[in-house]
Amino acid sequence: EAGVVQSPRYKIIEKKQPVAFWCNPISGHNTLYWYLQNLGQGPELLIRYENEEAVDDSQLPKDRFSAERLKGVDSTLKIQPAELGDSAVYLCASSLARGSETQYFGPGTRLLVL
Amino acid sequence: GNSVTQMEGPVTLSEEAFLTINCTYTATGYPSLFWYVQYPGEGLQLLLKATKADDKGSNKGFEATYRKETTSFHLEKGSVQVSDSAVYFCALRTGNQFYFGTGTSLTVIP
Repeated sequence: EAGVVQSPRYKIIEKKQPVAFWCNPISGHNTLYWYLQNLGQGPELLIRYENEEAVDDSQLPKDRFSAERLKGVDSTLKIQPAELGDSAVYLCASSLARGSETQYFGPGTRLLVL
Repeated sequence: GNSVTQMEGPVTLSEEAFLTINCTYTATGYPSLFWYVQYPGEGLQLLLKATKADDKGSNKGFEATYRKETTSFHLEKGSVQVSDSAVYFCALRTGNQFYFGTGTSLTVIP
Protein backbone atom coordinates (compact mmCIF):
# COMPACT_ATOMS: atom_id res chain seq x y z
CA GLU A 1 0.00 0.00 0.00
CA ALA A 2 1.36 3.40 -0.96
CA GLY A 3 2.10 5.82 1.81
CA VAL A 4 1.38 9.53 1.95
CA VAL A 5 2.76 11.17 -1.17
CA GLN A 6 3.96 14.75 -1.29
CA SER A 7 5.37 16.86 -4.07
CA PRO A 8 7.59 18.55 -4.76
CA ARG A 9 10.21 17.26 -2.36
CA TYR A 10 12.23 20.45 -2.60
CA LYS A 11 11.40 23.95 -3.70
CA ILE A 12 13.51 27.08 -3.92
CA ILE A 13 11.79 30.38 -4.65
CA GLU A 14 12.43 34.07 -4.25
CA LYS A 15 10.52 36.01 -1.64
CA LYS A 16 7.16 37.43 -2.71
CA GLN A 17 6.67 34.55 -5.15
CA PRO A 18 3.78 32.09 -4.77
CA VAL A 19 4.33 28.41 -4.04
CA ALA A 20 2.08 25.37 -3.77
CA PHE A 21 2.52 21.98 -2.17
CA TRP A 22 0.52 18.87 -3.00
CA CYS A 23 -0.41 15.91 -0.82
CA ASN A 24 -2.08 12.61 -1.63
CA PRO A 25 -3.04 10.78 1.58
CA ILE A 26 -3.26 7.03 2.05
CA SER A 27 -6.29 5.64 0.27
CA GLY A 28 -9.34 5.61 2.49
CA HIS A 29 -7.91 8.04 5.05
CA ASN A 30 -10.51 10.68 5.81
CA THR A 31 -8.41 12.92 8.04
CA LEU A 32 -5.59 14.97 6.56
CA TYR A 33 -3.15 17.25 8.36
CA TRP A 34 -0.69 19.87 7.20
CA TYR A 35 2.17 20.61 9.56
CA LEU A 36 5.00 23.11 9.54
CA GLN A 37 8.37 21.90 10.80
CA ASN A 38 11.04 24.48 11.41
CA LEU A 39 14.65 23.42 11.68
CA GLY A 40 15.32 21.72 15.00
CA GLN A 41 11.67 21.79 16.00
CA GLY A 42 8.75 19.43 16.11
CA PRO A 43 5.83 19.63 13.71
CA GLU A 44 3.22 22.31 14.35
CA LEU A 45 -0.29 21.91 13.02
CA LEU A 46 -1.39 24.32 10.30
CA ILE A 47 -4.72 22.80 9.31
CA ARG A 48 -6.70 19.61 9.73
CA TYR A 49 -9.35 18.28 7.35
CA GLU A 50 -12.10 15.79 7.98
CA ASN A 51 -12.96 14.73 4.44
CA GLU A 52 -13.28 18.02 2.54
CA GLU A 53 -14.05 20.16 5.58
CA ALA A 54 -11.34 22.19 7.32
CA VAL A 55 -12.19 21.53 10.97
CA ASP A 56 -9.15 23.19 12.55
CA ASP A 57 -7.33 26.01 10.80
CA SER A 58 -6.72 28.20 13.81
CA GLN A 59 -2.92 28.11 13.30
CA LEU A 60 -3.01 28.83 9.56
CA PRO A 61 -1.76 32.38 8.76
CA LYS A 62 -4.70 33.20 6.55
CA ASP A 63 -3.27 36.44 5.18
CA ARG A 64 -0.83 34.46 3.03
CA PHE A 65 -1.61 30.77 3.44
CA SER A 66 -4.53 28.89 1.95
CA ALA A 67 -5.43 25.25 1.63
CA GLU A 68 -8.02 23.13 -0.07
CA ARG A 69 -9.06 19.52 -0.18
CA LEU A 70 -11.45 19.12 -3.04
CA LYS A 71 -13.45 15.88 -3.04
CA GLY A 72 -11.92 14.94 0.29
CA VAL A 73 -8.84 13.24 -1.17
CA ASP A 74 -5.84 15.25 -2.42
CA SER A 75 -4.93 18.50 -0.77
CA THR A 76 -2.99 21.58 -1.79
CA LEU A 77 -1.34 24.10 0.52
CA LYS A 78 -0.45 27.47 -0.98
CA ILE A 79 1.61 30.43 0.17
CA GLN A 80 1.22 33.77 -1.57
CA PRO A 81 3.39 35.73 -1.26
CA ALA A 82 6.19 33.75 0.36
CA GLU A 83 8.42 35.39 2.97
CA LEU A 84 11.92 34.50 4.11
CA GLY A 85 10.54 33.14 7.37
CA ASP A 86 8.45 30.56 5.51
CA SER A 87 11.56 28.49 4.83
CA ALA A 88 10.80 25.18 6.54
CA VAL A 89 9.60 21.66 5.87
CA TYR A 90 5.88 21.26 5.18
CA LEU A 91 4.60 17.87 6.25
CA CYS A 92 1.38 16.20 5.27
CA ALA A 93 -0.10 13.40 7.35
CA SER A 94 -3.25 11.33 7.20
CA SER A 95 -5.21 9.06 9.48
CA LEU A 96 -8.04 6.65 8.94
CA ALA A 97 -10.76 8.62 10.67
CA ARG A 98 -11.49 11.31 13.17
CA GLY A 99 -10.23 10.17 16.52
CA SER A 100 -7.83 7.67 15.00
CA GLU A 101 -4.75 7.18 17.13
CA THR A 102 -2.18 6.89 14.40
CA GLN A 103 -1.04 9.44 11.84
CA TYR A 104 1.02 8.52 8.81
CA PHE A 105 3.41 11.16 7.55
CA GLY A 106 4.65 11.94 4.09
CA PRO A 107 8.31 12.77 3.41
CA GLY A 108 7.65 16.50 3.43
CA THR A 109 8.40 19.39 1.10
CA ARG A 110 11.49 21.38 2.00
CA LEU A 111 10.98 25.04 1.08
CA LEU A 112 13.75 27.58 0.83
CA VAL A 113 12.78 31.20 0.29
CA LEU A 114 15.62 33.46 -0.89
CA GLY B 1 -2.43 23.85 28.07
CA ASN B 2 -1.03 20.81 26.33
CA SER B 3 2.68 20.45 25.71
CA VAL B 4 5.55 18.01 25.48
CA THR B 5 9.05 18.58 26.83
CA GLN B 6 11.81 16.26 25.79
CA MET B 7 15.46 15.95 26.50
CA GLU B 8 17.62 18.20 24.44
CA GLY B 9 20.22 16.71 22.20
CA PRO B 10 22.21 15.91 20.40
CA VAL B 11 22.92 12.55 21.96
CA THR B 12 25.93 10.54 20.81
CA LEU B 13 26.35 6.92 21.87
CA SER B 14 28.58 4.05 20.99
CA GLU B 15 27.03 1.00 19.41
CA GLU B 16 25.46 -1.38 21.97
CA ALA B 17 25.13 1.37 24.59
CA PHE B 18 21.94 1.86 26.59
CA LEU B 19 19.65 4.68 25.43
CA THR B 20 17.26 6.83 27.41
CA ILE B 21 15.52 9.88 25.99
CA ASN B 22 13.39 11.68 28.54
CA CYS B 23 9.93 12.99 27.76
CA THR B 24 7.45 14.68 30.08
CA TYR B 25 4.09 16.09 29.21
CA THR B 26 1.37 18.46 30.34
CA ALA B 27 -2.15 17.67 29.24
CA THR B 28 -5.77 18.05 30.08
CA GLY B 29 -7.74 14.86 30.27
CA TYR B 30 -6.21 11.51 29.41
CA PRO B 31 -3.87 11.79 26.45
CA SER B 32 -2.39 9.06 24.33
CA LEU B 33 1.40 9.17 24.06
CA PHE B 34 3.66 8.46 21.12
CA TRP B 35 7.25 8.26 20.01
CA TYR B 36 7.98 9.05 16.39
CA VAL B 37 11.31 8.63 14.59
CA GLN B 38 12.54 10.73 11.67
CA TYR B 39 15.40 9.47 9.54
CA PRO B 40 17.34 11.97 7.43
CA GLY B 41 15.31 13.25 4.51
CA GLU B 42 12.19 11.35 5.51
CA GLY B 43 8.91 12.05 7.23
CA LEU B 44 8.05 10.99 10.75
CA GLN B 45 7.31 7.33 11.38
CA LEU B 46 5.39 6.02 14.36
CA LEU B 47 7.76 4.05 16.58
CA LEU B 48 5.48 3.12 19.47
CA LYS B 49 2.48 4.33 21.41
CA ALA B 50 0.60 3.92 24.68
CA THR B 51 -2.99 4.89 25.21
CA LYS B 52 -3.46 4.70 28.96
CA ALA B 53 -1.57 4.85 32.22
CA ASP B 54 0.89 2.00 32.89
CA ASP B 55 0.72 0.81 29.28
CA LYS B 56 4.07 -0.07 27.76
CA GLY B 57 4.63 0.56 24.08
CA SER B 58 7.38 -1.38 22.33
CA ASN B 59 8.80 -1.80 18.85
CA LYS B 60 12.17 -2.69 17.33
CA GLY B 61 13.77 -3.06 20.76
CA PHE B 62 12.55 0.35 21.90
CA GLU B 63 10.10 0.69 24.75
CA ALA B 64 8.37 3.39 26.77
CA THR B 65 5.97 3.22 29.70
CA TYR B 66 3.12 5.67 30.25
CA ARG B 67 3.66 7.02 33.76
CA LYS B 68 0.73 9.16 34.85
CA GLU B 69 2.13 9.86 38.32
CA THR B 70 5.25 11.47 36.87
CA THR B 71 3.64 12.59 33.57
CA SER B 72 6.46 10.91 31.70
CA PHE B 73 6.99 8.65 28.69
CA HIS B 74 10.73 8.04 28.52
CA LEU B 75 12.10 6.13 25.54
CA GLU B 76 14.61 3.34 26.21
CA LYS B 77 16.59 0.78 24.27
CA GLY B 78 19.00 -1.66 25.77
CA SER B 79 21.52 -1.83 22.93
CA VAL B 80 21.53 0.79 20.16
CA GLN B 81 22.73 0.21 16.63
CA VAL B 82 24.19 2.56 14.05
CA SER B 83 20.93 2.27 12.14
CA ASP B 84 19.09 3.87 15.09
CA SER B 85 20.70 7.23 14.29
CA ALA B 86 17.77 9.58 13.73
CA VAL B 87 15.70 12.28 15.39
CA TYR B 88 13.16 11.08 17.94
CA PHE B 89 9.97 13.01 18.74
CA CYS B 90 7.73 12.51 21.72
CA ALA B 91 4.10 13.45 21.11
CA LEU B 92 0.74 13.42 22.80
CA ARG B 93 -2.78 13.27 21.45
CA THR B 94 -5.75 14.78 23.24
CA GLY B 95 -9.08 15.13 21.52
CA ASN B 96 -8.21 15.36 17.86
CA GLN B 97 -5.02 17.37 18.41
CA PHE B 98 -1.44 16.15 18.35
CA TYR B 99 1.35 18.01 20.15
CA PHE B 100 5.00 17.28 19.43
CA GLY B 101 8.20 17.86 21.35
CA THR B 102 11.16 19.56 19.73
CA GLY B 103 12.96 16.32 18.93
CA THR B 104 16.16 14.68 20.15
CA SER B 105 18.89 13.87 17.67
CA LEU B 106 20.64 10.56 18.25
CA THR B 107 23.90 9.55 16.61
CA VAL B 108 25.27 6.07 17.18
CA ILE B 109 28.91 5.55 16.35
CA PRO B 110 30.46 2.15 15.58
